[in-house]
This record gives sequence, structure tokens and C-alpha cells, in this order.
Amino acid sequence: DSGVTQTPKHLITATGQRVTLRCSPRSGDLSVYWYQQSLDQGLQFLIQYYNGEERAKGNILERFSAQQFPDLHSELNLSSLELGDSALYFCASSVGDVLGRGEAFFGQGTRLTVV
Amino acid sequence: TQLLEQSPQFLSIQEGENLTVYCNSSSVFSSLQWYRQEPGEGPVLLVTVVTGGEVKKLKRLTFQFGDARKDSSLHITAAQPGDTGLYLCAGSRDDKIIFGKGTRLHILP
Repeated sequence: DSGVTQTPKHLITATGQRVTLRCSPRSGDLSVYWYQQSLDQGLQFLIQYYNGEERAKGNILERFSAQQFPDLHSELNLSSLELGDSALYFCASSVGDVLGRGEAFFGQGTRLTVV
Repeated sequence: TQLLEQSPQFLSIQEGENLTVYCNSSSVFSSLQWYRQEPGEGPVLLVTVVTGGEVKKLKRLTFQFGDARKDSSLHITAAQPGDTGLYLCAGSRDDKIIFGKGTRLHILP
């Protein structure tokens, strides 16, 4: 158990809909990262938050947004869903500044299926 | 263009054999991590290498960071079926942790 909790584990929704994925980081970790994993693209970095503020942005679509709350949990919002958004979405957390050792601890992921 | 190239993509070998997988980049990284991921689970951190030329051992796994901090290798001695999984390397750069696509390793009993 990594200490990172993601909910829900599975989500099936229709195209055009909006969903919210939730992540609780390890106790004491200030950084939260979101990744999308598909078979052909591997793990793609979406966005990072550090202590409530956006820290780094990767290949995140405009239809996707995220935030980190004062209690450090984070939510990833996916809207106007398309079939191609079906993937595993992982949240990871780390203790502090990624410019350090860059170690991250991953949750078990949310499997999103868009039908 | 993939920033971190892992090779081979797939490897299937018999139990007891040795193997090496590689993680290469044209960019310098402040550190590199190796993760193992099993189906339906999130990646689990195995090791972090920070210093150029650094070698770290984790039981039968040996990790090496290249002198120029652009590449890394993972050597497994006497592979076991429990070593089966997706091995991912990741690098820290510009406030991001970037992953390679991984080597899918299958150890046959």
C-alpha cells in the first residue's frame, strides 16, 4: 500500500459527459501529480500541484482541469469526454520539491471507460 | 519524440537467466527512477539514482546511472517468475517526472 488513495477505481460513462477523479496523497506529501496511461502512449504526465498551486503542466487537454485543495487532496475533472479518453488515470504524490530526488508514490488508479 | 527510450520493449526469458534492460535519453536528468508496475496496479518505486556512475543493488536487481546522467540500466540476475511486470524508468527534469514507455518483462517458469 503506497498510502495514496484514488477513487473511484472504475468509472464507465458516455461520450460528452463530465467526471471527477479524486486523489488523497500520502500523509505529509505536498506534491500531487496526475498521469494518464494508455496502451500505446505509456504514462503521460498531465499536471502537478504543490501545496495548492499548479507547479507544472504536461500534455493536459483543455477539456481537463485539476485542482488541489487546502487539505492537499486533488481532483481531476474531465469534461466533454471522448472515446479516446478511455485510459487508466493515476495520481502520485511526493514529499516536496520535485527538483530534488523526484520520487513519487502512486495510487492504484482509476480505470475510465468512455462508451 | 519520447524523451526516455526504453529497450527492449518486450522480453520473455526462462527462469534463472540473466537480463539487462536499458533507459536512454539525449537529455541530462538530475535523477532517474526505476518503477515496476503489475497489471491493474500503479507503478511502485524500486530505486532512485542521483550521481553519475552510481550503482545500486536491490537483491538480484542492479541499477546503474550513466556517467553523463543521460541513461540507466537495470540488470536482473537469475530471473524469477515474480520479476514479471512492466519496468518503467522515469527522469526528473523541469519540475516534471517523465516516464519511458517501459519494458514488459515475462519470466517463464
